[in-house]
Amino acid sequence: DVKVTQSSRYLVKRTGEKVFLECVQDMDHENMFWYRQDPGLGLRLIYFSYDVKMKEKGDIPEGYSVSREKKERFSLILESASTNQTSMYLCASSPGGTVQETQYFGPGTRLLVL
Amino acid sequence: SQQGEEDPQALSIQEGENATMNCSYKTSINNLQWYRQNSGRGLVHLILIRSNEREKHSGRLRVTLDTSKKSSSLLITASRAADTASYFCATDRSFGNEKLTFGTGTRLTIIP
Repeated sequence: DVKVTQSSRYLVKRTGEKVFLECVQDMDHENMFWYRQDPGLGLRLIYFSYDVKMKEKGDIPEGYSVSREKKERFSLILESASTNQTSMYLCASSPGGTVQETQYFGPGTRLLVL
Repeated sequence: SQQGEEDPQALSIQEGENATMNCSYKTSINNLQWYRQNSGRGLVHLILIRSNEREKHSGRLRVTLDTSKKSSSLLITASRAADTASYFCATDRSFGNEKLTFGTGTRLTIIP
């Protein structure tokens, strides 16, 4: 079974802090994704990566950056956390080829920015 | 705007009944997928249907796709309490290597 893990289930940070969310997948997938999920808005794509060191902006990249130095690991960085970044963050991966394939999700990180 | 939108937003049924939820989308697609999310957890892939398919089954799940109406339905037969979850459709766009776009979901509650 594909396993996607996220470094924290719950995280509390203060406004202005730099926040790192880590995601690791163990199935040698090419593509990795970061979403945020908010009530009434569904999942919105922040960034995705189709290869090591490659990244593309999603629908809402402002205020975020990402890093993919190794194939299995995709990090989401909040350079200066703000209260409007309080949300559920979901990482996903997919095998490769296209970004339209089935995605495998981690359990999510619920981030609260005070 | 959302590519895929689910209807209804919330649905409550008695255990044992069938549950039907719908997804409408705006542009031509290659595939349409359905995912389930248990409360506070990540999404789990349920089924993928391609644009040249009209119906697909997986266990108690039946998915239909009508590309002329740009809509899909997910039927869960003989519902169980464990089916209580949110269900999302995800669509791509048939031009280019476009990402998936998820709808806002249908919240399904099965009453024991």
